[in-house]
This record gives sequence, C-alpha cells and structure tokens, in this order.
Amino acid sequence: SYVLTQPPSVSVAPGNTARITCGGDNIGSQSVHWYQQKPGQAPLLVIIYDTNRPSGIPERFSGSNSGNTATLVITRVEAGDDADYYCQLWDSSNAYVVFGGGTKLTVL
Amino acid sequence: QVQLQESGPGLVKTSETLSLTCSVSGSSVSTDYYWGWIRQAPGKGLEWIGSIYNSGSGYYSPSLKSRVTMSIDVSKNQFSVRLSSVTATDTAVYYCVRASAVVTVVNYFDYWGQGTLVTVSS
Repeated sequence: SYVLTQPPSVSVAPGNTARITCGGDNIGSQSVHWYQQKPGQAPLLVIIYDTNRPSGIPERFSGSNSGNTATLVITRVEAGDDADYYCQLWDSSNAYVVFGGGTKLTVL
Repeated sequence: QVQLQESGPGLVKTSETLSLTCSVSGSSVSTDYYWGWIRQAPGKGLEWIGSIYNSGSGYYSPSLKSRVTMSIDVSKNQFSVRLSSVTATDTAVYYCVRASAVVTVVNYFDYWGQGTLVTVSS
C-alpha cells in the first residue's frame, strides 16, 4: 500500500515561512492535495493538484511536488495558521485514497 | 452554498452496526461527484472510509471494505454508510464529504460536513 510520510510537527515564528513536507515513492508523478484542520473543526482544502489554491485561500499558501516529496509552503505565517495539515492523494494503482499522518504547525 | 450534514446515533454497542446518513443541500448527489465518508479517531489523523458515485459504484478503504456498505438516495439527496461489527477502535468523528471526480478518480474533498462523534461501547 502507498504510504505518505509527514513530520509530526513543525514550528515557525510569526512572519516567517513554514514548509511542511509529504514524502512518498515517486509522489511527483501524482496529484497531491492539502488540508488545514483547526481544533474542533472539519478540515479545509487549501491546495489542490500540487500547486493550486481553491477560491478564498490566501496567496500565502502555495505548494510544490517533485521527486519523492510534496511541500506545502505558508509564507508570512500568522497565528491563525496554527493547525494540523494533511496531504492526500489518490493511489491509482490500488484505487483508494491515502492521507498523510498529519503535521501539527505551531506558530511560536 | 453546498452543505453536508451527518445524522445518526452517537452511541453504538460493540459488535453492532454503525449507520450514518448525510443530507446534502446546495448540490445534487446525482451530479458528477463522489460522495463519501472520512473518520478521525480522537487525537488521530484522517482515515478515508470510502466514496461512491451516483450510480452506486464506488471505492472503499482496503482495511474496512469487508465491513462497509455505502448507498446513495437520489430522491432524498442523501447518502449513507453502514459499518458492521464495530469495536472500540471504530470510535471516531465521522465526516461526510464531497469529492471532485475525474473519470474513475476520487480527487480532492472540497466540502465536508461538520462531523459527528460516534462512540462504540458495550
């Protein structure tokens, strides 16, 4: 089965840039989507197809995907970005959805 | 405005069947999307359960496939999930979701219900 590996936690000071990685075998050949989840809330889609922002998502959120790593980048981090972040893709070989384990972003 | 709302018992006994329904407004379950369920155990990550199309065909998590049944009711604009033989490890917040569909691919989940906590206990 396909596995997506995320660091359990990332810390960043306000105003700096946060990078959250999502590792997988040749993940660069697949489309990766990212979600933000704040405590007590349903996840919110923040990046689709590696690099695209859904309507309403700030330009501070961006993504990249190459080789064995996809990355969510949040620039000019704000206190409100403090949340869990999950990567997700469709494993076409086995026909099922895969989520990464999630990364807790702490804004210091 | 698309809205999804889960409904069903918040407490299910061990070994029995968990049943949840998702009511959809602002979108029709007969359109080109996948409709499905994702759960999250307390303090844990997201786990996809399965997604079905308006035809009733769908995809399921390999780890849950033997216990999961999903259905869709176009006339009521609802879809449902049943999970049999539940144990304490099935205790979780269950989210109903809409997924973008491209041919036979379940893409990203663009709309989520608020989630409903289901506790499994004897």
